[in-house]
Amino acid sequence: QSVLTQPPSVSGAPGQRVTISCTGNNSIIGTDSDVHWYQQLPGTAPKLLIYSNIHRPSGVPDRFSGSKSGTSASLAIAGLQADDEAEYYCQSHDSGLTYSVFGGGTKLTVL
Amino acid sequence: EVHLLESGGKLVQPGGSLRLSCAASGFSFSNYAMAWVRQAPGKGLAWVSAISGSGKNAYYADSVKGRFTVSRDNSKDTVTLQMTSLRAEDTAIYYCAKVRRRGTTGATGALDYWGQGTLVTVSS
Repeated sequence: QSVLTQPPSVSGAPGQRVTISCTGNNSIIGTDSDVHWYQQLPGTAPKLLIYSNIHRPSGVPDRFSGSKSGTSASLAIAGLQADDEAEYYCQSHDSGLTYSVFGGGTKLTVL
Repeated sequence: EVHLLESGGKLVQPGGSLRLSCAASGFSFSNYAMAWVRQAPGKGLAWVSAISGSGKNAYYADSVKGRFTVSRDNSKDTVTLQMTSLRAEDTAIYYCAKVRRRGTTGATGALDYWGQGTLVTVSS
């Protein structure tokens, strides 16, 4: 099964904007595949941040936004805050709708 | 309020079997697919398996296909992961999660609620 590629780490100063990329291929993150994003704080279960490429669940601040183009997706975090420091994961699925895959995760450091 | 509680994790020898359970509450259980996701110590998330709301359709990662079986009991609001032929690389925290959208098959959906996980350790 293919893997979704994320940068291992990103960083930014408080107040800045950072983006995290998630790259697949024609089998994963194809034209009809949704991408979802999760935030995982140390020692806790993941939390859904973005679903179906661009949508935020209720309670997620609008500082978090998602986008998708072709076989890549991105998570943007604006107005960085100290408590945004966490691991971020993308998730997508195969074109046959038979399995999901997570990206390797990106560690966000707020400087 | 949605609540998911996993149980059954423990130390097991290589080649052994283990049954994980997830008790759900706070939503109409049979209307939603459920998934299992694992996380090895210090590693990232790995999708393991999913099952549709009716239980009719089940999906597996290649790494567990033929060894793990997912099932659900909609009369008891529980989902189960039966694991056999366990290997050291199966050592992980296993999370149970609810698929967000009603009617989604399970293999593709976003996971909007997660349990706190149960630790499975495969070692001699």
